[in-house]
Amino acid sequence: DGGITQSPKYLFRKEGQNVTLSCEQNLNHDAMYWYRQDPGQGLRLIYYSQIVNDFQKGDIAEGYSVSREKKESFPLTVTSAQKNPTAFYLCASRSGNGDTIYFGEGSWLTVV
Amino acid sequence: SQQGEEDPQALSIQEGENATMNCSYKTSINNLQWYRQNSGRGLVHLILIRSNEREKHSGRLRVTLDTSKKSSSLLITASRAADTASYFCALQSVGSGNTGKLIFGQGTTLQVKP
Repeated sequence: DGGITQSPKYLFRKEGQNVTLSCEQNLNHDAMYWYRQDPGQGLRLIYYSQIVNDFQKGDIAEGYSVSREKKESFPLTVTSAQKNPTAFYLCASRSGNGDTIYFGEGSWLTVV
Repeated sequence: SQQGEEDPQALSIQEGENATMNCSYKTSINNLQWYRQNSGRGLVHLILIRSNEREKHSGRLRVTLDTSKKSSSLLITASRAADTASYFCALQSVGSGNTGKLIFGQGTTLQVKP
C-alpha cells in the first residue's frame, strides 16, 4: 500500500539524549515535512525538504536536525538542545505538482 | 499572526444534526485545506479549496471560502458518531510560494453523541 510510515510509534528519551524519528514514503513525493503537535494545539512546522539533499528550517527548528539523502526518507533527530521535546511528531509529504499534503500516523516522544 | 483561528474550540451535537466549524485567517492564501484527526492519530485530508473557489462538496462535507472576509467554514451534514474527532483548517499562504508549507489553526473538537 502507498503511504507514509513513521516509526517508532512511541519513543522515550532520557535527558541529554538524541533520538531519531523515522519517516518513509513510497508515494514518490518530492517534498517532505516535519510538524510538531502539542496537546490541544495545532501543528507547527519544524523542517521541510522540497528535493533530495536540500532542506529548510520551519518555524521551530531549534533543537532539531534533519537529513534528506534519499527521496523516500526524511528522518528527524531531536537533539539534547531541544529543551521541551515531549510532543506528537507528524511527518508529511506532497507531490511536486500537487497542493494536497498527506500525513503519516505520527510518533509520540516523551522525555523520562 | 498568520495562523488560522478556529471557532468554536469545542462542539457537541447529537447524531443526525449538522456541525459547522469556522476558520478565520489574516494573510492572503493560495488554498485552504481541512483535515480530521482522531485521537492520537495522524491527520486525514478532507478537502482543499483554492482561493478562486467559493464552495466545494465532498460527500457529507461542504466547505465555503470567503476571501474578502478571510474566512472558511466546514459543514458536516447528518453527523455520525464516527465523525467524532478534531478538525483543523490549514492554509497555504501566498508568501509560501510553492513550498507547500501549511499554517494550522488550533482545531475544533467535535463530539457526536449517539
